[in-house]
Amino acid sequence: DTAVSQTPKYLVTQMGNDKSIKCEQNLGHDTMYWYKQDSKKFLKIMFSYNNKELIINETVPNRFSPKSPDKAHLNLHINSLELGDSAVYFCASSQDRSRGGYGYTFGSGTRLTVV
Amino acid sequence: AQSVTQLGSHVSVSEGALVLLRCNYSSSVPPYLFWYVQYPNQGLQLLLKYTTGATLVKGINGFEAEFKKSETSFHLTKPSAHMSDAAEYFCAVIGNNNDMRFGAGTRLTVKP
Repeated sequence: DTAVSQTPKYLVTQMGNDKSIKCEQNLGHDTMYWYKQDSKKFLKIMFSYNNKELIINETVPNRFSPKSPDKAHLNLHINSLELGDSAVYFCASSQDRSRGGYGYTFGSGTRLTVV
Repeated sequence: AQSVTQLGSHVSVSEGALVLLRCNYSSSVPPYLFWYVQYPNQGLQLLLKYTTGATLVKGINGFEAEFKKSETSFHLTKPSAHMSDAAEYFCAVIGNNNDMRFGAGTRLTVKP
């Protein structure tokens, strides 16, 4: 069983479109995250949700909107896609917010290409 | 604010040689430190972590890391490199908001 699953794995779309990436975890974790990995492999946190509550919202364009229907799901919706949004997006989860001492479990990533 | 710096964006070793990937941290509180590995077109896999206790931490695939407070370091080592170790390696620290903050990554190449 996959612990953190993301769909789709690949996403190619045109500029200006709206798209969503879905994430689900079956680990019973309370906290979920979205990270962006750019072409130079740099990983930057975008959002963090704890039990459906937004905890971290880094400096991300408001075209990006996370949605957490329940604590096992954290979806990422992107409006008006731009070329610079092309990247790999990773979902992750952790057991609790106590300084993340258990580490994060990552999904396999969604490679978004905007053309 | 907590942060990590990885020294060397690319490390190349011969098969069977020692692997040493360097990570230095900055933290105002006792840090929680991690090493992750990313194989091509895959997600991140936890290699090992340091939270409290023993400063020498053993992880998967024969890797280990030593937490040295005096040097603010958490270098990753493996005595003998294998071809399958070729990947991108990331050092990370838990930040003020309980979020994980990553270094820029080090690409490990293993030559036959």
